[in-house]
Amino acid sequence: EPEVTQTPSHQVTQMGQEVILRCVPISNHLYFYWYRQILGQKVEFLVSFYNNEISEKSEIFDDQFSVERPDGSNFTLKIRSTKLEDSAMYFCASSRLADFDEQFFGPGTRLTVL
Amino acid sequence: SQQGEEDPQALSIQEGENATMNCSYKTSINNLQWYRQNSGRGLVHLILIRSNEREKHSGRLRVTLDTSKKSSSLLITASRAADTASYFCATDAWETSGSRLTFGEGTQLTVNP
Repeated sequence: EPEVTQTPSHQVTQMGQEVILRCVPISNHLYFYWYRQILGQKVEFLVSFYNNEISEKSEIFDDQFSVERPDGSNFTLKIRSTKLEDSAMYFCASSRLADFDEQFFGPGTRLTVL
Repeated sequence: SQQGEEDPQALSIQEGENATMNCSYKTSINNLQWYRQNSGRGLVHLILIRSNEREKHSGRLRVTLDTSKKSSSLLITASRAADTASYFCATDAWETSGSRLTFGEGTQLTVNP
């Protein structure tokens, strides 16, 4: 069964460093998403992406964050200058359609900012 | 802003019993999805129910949706120890575009062997 994959599974970085989290969505899906879950808290929406542009972003997704689909398979989330409060599990998700369709999540990347 | 809220926060049952978890939300929705998360792991999609549907089944799962009460329930029948996990509802609000999902706090289900 097709699935969303994410790399790395765990990333440790120093405050102020840039990180890139990578995702490979399900191949026939057109909509891509990033969510994050701070330890012990709810899963929060960051951004949705379709047709090579951002469809929607949350208030969390500020200028420090960017997303890109550099080729036909990968979808990346970049954090330019990490802060301690960026430590969280980051989930990529994809769906075939936008409305009325399931979003399938990857296993997540645990980001630890020291 | 819209929130999904699950109830109860924690539920502990014996293997073979049924588990019922509830979710309430605040605004009109396109659909509601239920996910499972094992400790520290990814989110596994369980079932999606559309706003014009009232009930849906998938294996041992039964989901209901009452849009007049803005609530949903997830029933797991004949539970197994492997069902131990956190369960989240997530709503796709009618007024937003791009299908942003809003997640609840989750219900931690423990199934004792």
